[in-house]
Amino acid sequence: NAGVMQNPRHLVRRRGQEARLRCSPMKGHSHVYWYRQLPEEGLKFMVYLQKENIIDESGMPKERFSAEFPKEGPSILRIQQVVRGDSAAYFCASSPRQGLDTEAFFGQGTRLTVV
Amino acid sequence: GDSVTQMEGPVTLSEEAFLTINCTYTATGYPSLFWYVQYPGEGLQLLLKATKADDKGSNKGFEATYRKETTSFHLEKGSVQVSDSAVYFCALSESGGFKTIFGAGTRLFVKA
Repeated sequence: NAGVMQNPRHLVRRRGQEARLRCSPMKGHSHVYWYRQLPEEGLKFMVYLQKENIIDESGMPKERFSAEFPKEGPSILRIQQVVRGDSAAYFCASSPRQGLDTEAFFGQGTRLTVV
Repeated sequence: GDSVTQMEGPVTLSEEAFLTINCTYTATGYPSLFWYVQYPGEGLQLLLKATKADDKGSNKGFEATYRKETTSFHLEKGSVQVSDSAVYFCALSESGGFKTIFGAGTRLFVKA
């Protein structure tokens, strides 16, 4: 059973480009969470999705950021018109039921660098 | 709102030394408490957890006790190894919730 798979591991984008980060949850997990880790900081919640639904996106910036978790395929975190401040590590976690205290597993993260 | 505060790093220890990383929290309800570890270049891994007051979580020689009276969940290990070098995050999650709150992390360096 493969773990949570995120790709790419490293992504470099120029200012103004779009970044698409992918997360394939563990088999049997239908709950996905995205977190952002800025340098020297802890993880900050961004969005919680369940298949085809956004349950809570209170941690997402209001502009340029969007997330989806389609019926088929991975969850996608999309950042439009990236700026330097978007440079961070983005982690995805999945769980079989709601709540990170229900055997949630994290991926290895995507490190986004905006130049 | 809920929050987690953990001691600032980096913490540098010699092999076989005793480790304590302090963590305190504020929460309105009765959260579950966690310690996660992040090795270089990797994602977070759950190290241990405790779901109610006085519970002790333990794993790989690490342990932490949920202290409601002092709102603390300090991480301890009796004898650290070089392979324990990593960043350790204290976290809390309200029962049934999904917005796990993480501390800023404490970097641990263990010297041979």
